[in-house]
Amino acid sequence: KAGVTQTPRYLIKTRGQQVTLSCSPISGHRSVSWYQQTPGQGLQFLFEYFSETQRNKGNFPGRFSGRQFSNSRSEMNVSTLELGDSALYLCASSDSASSYEQYFGPGTRLTVT
Amino acid sequence: AQTVTQSQPEMSVQEAETVTLSCTYDTSESDYYLFWYKQPPSRQMILVIRQEAYKQQNATENRFSVNFQKAAKSFSLKISDSQLGDAAMYFCAYRGFTSNTGKLIFGQGTTLQVKP
Repeated sequence: KAGVTQTPRYLIKTRGQQVTLSCSPISGHRSVSWYQQTPGQGLQFLFEYFSETQRNKGNFPGRFSGRQFSNSRSEMNVSTLELGDSALYLCASSDSASSYEQYFGPGTRLTVT
Repeated sequence: AQTVTQSQPEMSVQEAETVTLSCTYDTSESDYYLFWYKQPPSRQMILVIRQEAYKQQNATENRFSVNFQKAAKSFSLKISDSQLGDAAMYFCAYRGFTSNTGKLIFGQGTTLQVKP
């Protein structure tokens, strides 16, 4: 099976802009979780989608949002970008309703200037 | 709230030797999962090993094994016969059994250097 894919791999944006990141889970996986990784804060959970519904949400401002499509592909959007949003954004997919084991994609490196 | 702590920011080991990475966690839940993930410089996070809290037997995957001490809330990873390819950042992660589905709580990570 193909692994989790994320596009784009690298992105440079300017403060105030918005960005959309995409994640395609492993075939058959219905759960997608998103994480932000920064040197200062480490890995932090953003949200999780299962069967097109947001099932869990981390402590991020409303500028961070996401959605999941019927084919389980997921997108996350960040509006009004801030310098502090520069990070590696990782998505992970799971094949069980309980999201037991998560398999990660390579990440999208977002740089905000 | 659950927390995960990795107290060793960096570790080094000689090739073919054994190294142990430490992890402690705090939770009020009785059932949960614990994981070790490896993140090589290429950034792809890889699941190394998992442990279900209700299982008393320590998990083992080839050269990787854990020492799970539930009462002490400790979950260390032992890498035997270390190889150059083991060099990476290692993250300990926690997931509640019934709550916070899909949410992993990570430690700050330990960078492992393997010396030839």
